[in-house]
Amino acid sequence: GQSLEQPSEVTAVEGAIVQINCTYQTSGFYGLSWYQQHDGGAPTFLSYNALDGLEETGRFSSFLSRSDSYGYLLLQELQMKDSASYFCAVRDTTDKLIFGTGTRLQVFP
Amino acid sequence: DAGVIQSPRHEVTEMGQEVTLRCKPISGHNSLFWYRQTMMRGLELLIYFNNNVPIDDSGMPEDRFSAKMPNASFSTLKIQPSEPRDSAVYFCASSQRGGREQYFGPGTRLTVT
Repeated sequence: GQSLEQPSEVTAVEGAIVQINCTYQTSGFYGLSWYQQHDGGAPTFLSYNALDGLEETGRFSSFLSRSDSYGYLLLQELQMKDSASYFCAVRDTTDKLIFGTGTRLQVFP
Repeated sequence: DAGVIQSPRHEVTEMGQEVTLRCKPISGHNSLFWYRQTMMRGLELLIYFNNNVPIDDSGMPEDRFSAKMPNASFSTLKIQPSEPRDSAVYFCASSQRGGREQYFGPGTRLTVT
């Protein structure tokens, strides 16, 4: 079977740093993606890790450890507009994405 | 580029009626994906196409659901007959084959009463 686990909800204040963890069990693995979805909107791509290590894109960074089947999304200098749901997704060997259940991030002033 | 286009954006129908959702992928993308999102089940892949050919339809819930991609610029997802439990947001996404990013359309919010 295939499963991804991530926390259901995280809260933080503006300017803070938040880490959203994702552990996965899948039969095939090419890489780990992260998507952001605002209420009423569509998922939008944030990052992708195929190799172990940290990928940085502005205020957002993503990390992958293939040996531990683990990754995380790090959001720095949080802003109110970062309040959204964040999904990790495994890209398997057939190019499909298998999504986690999502983490709802609430940023408070 | 206009991005992935879906229609209709909202659909309200009665149980037993046929529903057809439409998707136009981004030009040049050769992979197309249909997803369903609900609070209970999250974001589920229903079916995906490569070069207009269905590759994996293991996520299609049952025979009431069917999807077609007659050409590179158009796909449909049909539900016949519809049931209240089909109420969800249906997303279409496209990507270049092997591309690391999927581009999602705005979704169709389906309500079956």
